[in-house]
Amino acid sequence: GAVVSQHPSRVICKSGTSVKIECRSLDFQATTMFWYRQFPKKSLMLMATSNEGSKATYEQGVEKDKFLINHASLTLSTLTVTSAHPEDSSFYICSASPGLAAYEQYFGPGTRLTVT
Amino acid sequence: SQKIEQNSEALNIQEGKTATLTCNYTNYSPAYLQWYRQDPGRGPVFLLLIRENEKEKRKERLKVTFDTTLKQSLFHITASQPADSATYLCALLRGRRALTFGSGTRLQVQP
Repeated sequence: GAVVSQHPSRVICKSGTSVKIECRSLDFQATTMFWYRQFPKKSLMLMATSNEGSKATYEQGVEKDKFLINHASLTLSTLTVTSAHPEDSSFYICSASPGLAAYEQYFGPGTRLTVT
Repeated sequence: SQKIEQNSEALNIQEGKTATLTCNYTNYSPAYLQWYRQDPGRGPVFLLLIRENEKEKRKERLKVTFDTTLKQSLFHITASQPADSATYLCALLRGRRALTFGSGTRLQVQP
């Protein structure tokens, strides 16, 4: 149980385009979903927290107009990287929690984004 | 500022030995501390959670200790196997709503 999927697993896009990444909880309802990014050999950095049906809460320094997060249902959250630049190239990982507390999080397999 | 440090970037040990990984933190008073395993190109996988009022937690070959006075957690893998080779991350709960991760220790178990 507690499986989280992400799609796509890898994506290459041109600079200036937008990319959407999906995160789904497959066998539970996710009250809260989290989006992280990870640079090579670095730790996961929380970008934003989203609750179903409400606006995402972004961490300091994360541009909400650039990283659009939608948590439209209890099993789906999307992250859209708008007007992507090469520096947005990273590993994006989502996690989902069945409750409001963050200590119980189940992570997706990640999405490797490369912006050329 | 709040900081989480994991002992070394890489740890190499022989198969069968006990691997010990360290997680130190400053300017935190976490209610929980967690350990995750991450394989290359994959998301983290939850291993163990230990609460602030627990000194030690075990799960099969894994053992975690949590010393809130020293602000340190130790993560042990006994009878290590090559399949245990991965990056291990510690994470602290920030408030109730967010996890903050350390940078990880890459463990390599040599056969």
